[in-house]
Amino acid sequence: DVVLTQTPPTLSATIGQSVSISCRSSQSLLHSNGNTYLNWLLQRPGQPPQLLIYLVSRLESGVPNRFSGSGSGTDFTLKISGVEAEDLGVYYCVQSTHAPYTFGAGTKLELK
Amino acid sequence: QVTLKESGPGILQPSQTLSLTCSFSGFSLSTSGICVSWIRQPSGKGLEWLATICWEDSKGYNPSLKNRLTISKDTSNNQAFLKITSVDTADTAIYYCARNRLWAPFAYWGQGTLVTVSS
Repeated sequence: DVVLTQTPPTLSATIGQSVSISCRSSQSLLHSNGNTYLNWLLQRPGQPPQLLIYLVSRLESGVPNRFSGSGSGTDFTLKISGVEAEDLGVYYCVQSTHAPYTFGAGTKLELK
Repeated sequence: QVTLKESGPGILQPSQTLSLTCSFSGFSLSTSGICVSWIRQPSGKGLEWLATICWEDSKGYNPSLKNRLTISKDTSNNQAFLKITSVDTADTAIYYCARNRLWAPFAYWGQGTLVTVSS
């Protein structure tokens, strides 16, 4: 199975600060069709996860553009340019290039 | 508007079979390209993909639980189902169903249903 390693496990930020979360894969997530199926989810406290970014860098409809994704192959990054209070929660990367689908362990974003 | 809602027994005993239902609206599981998945999350822990069923009845299972899982659908009633046999306390979790969108297997999520396995 593909292992996704997220760092850091916990991130403390002030409002307005920019932060980044890393997701490293144990194997390349580049599919034979040329797509890279790496998504980012946010789970706010007591809520189900929601899709933020798909195909590494494409912003889901309705998601603020302070969120951005980048990367290729095995190394991926989620950046939040100016944290807002509503961004607090746990961020997960998830891959669907290889079966079985796997999730990173999560990065908890909290207020400093 | 896409909505999904999970339902289950709430509590069951070890060795029993867990039956979960995902009732949805706003789409049909007979539409080309549509898939519904089950994901679970133990309290305070991360997410684990369990199984997926698609419009043409293809199915995928997590090999770590494959022998215990059965996913199915009732297209007429807009429902998807998951059965897990021989449950034990490690199966205690919130169980979510989720629908895909192009390039994103988990684009729409239900609120989840808590299942507790306890004697």
